Amino acid sequence: GQNIDQPTEMTATEGAIVQINCTYQTSGFNGLFWYQQHAGEAPTFLSYNVLDGLEEKGRFSSFLSRSKGYSYLLLKELQMKDSASYLCAVLDSNYQLIWGAGTKLIIKP
Amino acid sequence: DAGVIQSPRHEVTEMGQEVTLRCKPISGHNSLFWYRQTMMRGLELLIYFNNNVPIDDSGMPEDRFSAKMPNASFSTLKIQPSEPRDSAVYFCASSLAGTEHSNQPQHFGDGTRLSIL
Repeated sequence: GQNIDQPTEMTATEGAIVQINCTYQTSGFNGLFWYQQHAGEAPTFLSYNVLDGLEEKGRFSSFLSRSKGYSYLLLKELQMKDSASYLCAVLDSNYQLIWGAGTKLIIKP
Repeated sequence: DAGVIQSPRHEVTEMGQEVTLRCKPISGHNSLFWYRQTMMRGLELLIYFNNNVPIDDSGMPEDRFSAKMPNASFSTLKIQPSEPRDSAVYFCASSLAGTEHSNQPQHFGDGTRLSIL
């Protein structure tokens, strides 16, 4: 079967750094997406990784290791507005997007 | 550019009634997805269309659910008859899909918050 695992909830402090992990077991791999979803809103695209390594985009970075079936989203200089759920999704061999359950990130002052 | 447009934003109705949710994808996108999201089950793919053709409807929970895409700019998701357990947020998303577009993300509409009493 296909499976994506993320922690259910994480807490971090404003100004700090947090790493949200995602492990996956899918039938094939054509890329991994991270989305952000604020409460009551739609998911919005954050990043896409298909090659191993780190992709940096401002305060957010995403890392991928295909051999380990592992990715993480790194958020630096946390702000209160970063409180949201973060969803990991993998594009499988049929180009279908398999979604994780999401990680709820709580930022405390 | 206009994003994915869904209507209505909120719907409250009594069980047994027919519910129709509407979606206008982003112009030029060739794939459209209907999702349901609840606290218990997270984001679930119900059905998706490629070039207006339904490709995978294995996520549609029951025969009470049906979806159509009569043209490239419009899709509907219908529930008939509706039940309280159908209460959820229903999202429509679109993307430019295909092997040459694997890095293209799905863009979501604002969703329809459906409450069945």
